[in-house]
Amino acid sequence: DGGITQSPKYLFRKEGQNVTLSCEQNLNHDAMYWYRQDPGQGLRLIYYSQIVNDFQKGDIAEGYSVSREKKESFPLTVTSAQKNPTAFYLCASSKGQGRAVVNEKLFFGSGTQLSVL
Amino acid sequence: AQTVTQSQPEMSVQEAETVTLSCTYDTSESDYYLFWYKQPPSRQMILVIRQEAYKQQNATENRFSVNFQKAAKSFSLKISDSQLGDAAMYFCAYRTYTGANSKLTFGKGITLSVRP
Repeated sequence: DGGITQSPKYLFRKEGQNVTLSCEQNLNHDAMYWYRQDPGQGLRLIYYSQIVNDFQKGDIAEGYSVSREKKESFPLTVTSAQKNPTAFYLCASSKGQGRAVVNEKLFFGSGTQLSVL
Repeated sequence: AQTVTQSQPEMSVQEAETVTLSCTYDTSESDYYLFWYKQPPSRQMILVIRQEAYKQQNATENRFSVNFQKAAKSFSLKISDSQLGDAAMYFCAYRTYTGANSKLTFGKGITLSVRP
């Protein structure tokens, strides 16, 4: 079955440590996204990518980094510069960014809960 | 800047009754799309319904329908014959196409509880 796989489901970070959240999709989608979810804050966009080897900052990119070396994969690194990383992280994908696909729904992974030790 | 406002953090409905969840948005664009997503306790995001701004007819999906008021920039979700499985967090979202990108912007969400 096609879908988006996020791993791990739970992740713990020590102070000063970088951690990487995995996101893989087999839907052949061009666009991929990372959202952060905090209680009472809804979903906020961290980074997004429309095509391989290209990505743009979202609304809260500071302290995060991404790469898009393959169409299927869009890993998110939470760096030590992110001072408040505890949150639920959701990865999503969609068919693309062009005008014809703007109404396309996003497919979401099951999320990663990141906590600080 | 695009903003989506869900002013009611929590709502409750009796099973089999109807409930309406409110959402307003702010935009200067004329061509955009609106969505309602559901997040049950499993935390998996599920698309409930979507509306294209240029269509006057309100979208419906089985027990779910929207009341889209473009001039008022309002996009409410009506759930009829509420079921226990409808208990979840509901997010209103907005998306437009502006040149090279089209971000999906979410509201803060409404937690809906269903009383048996």
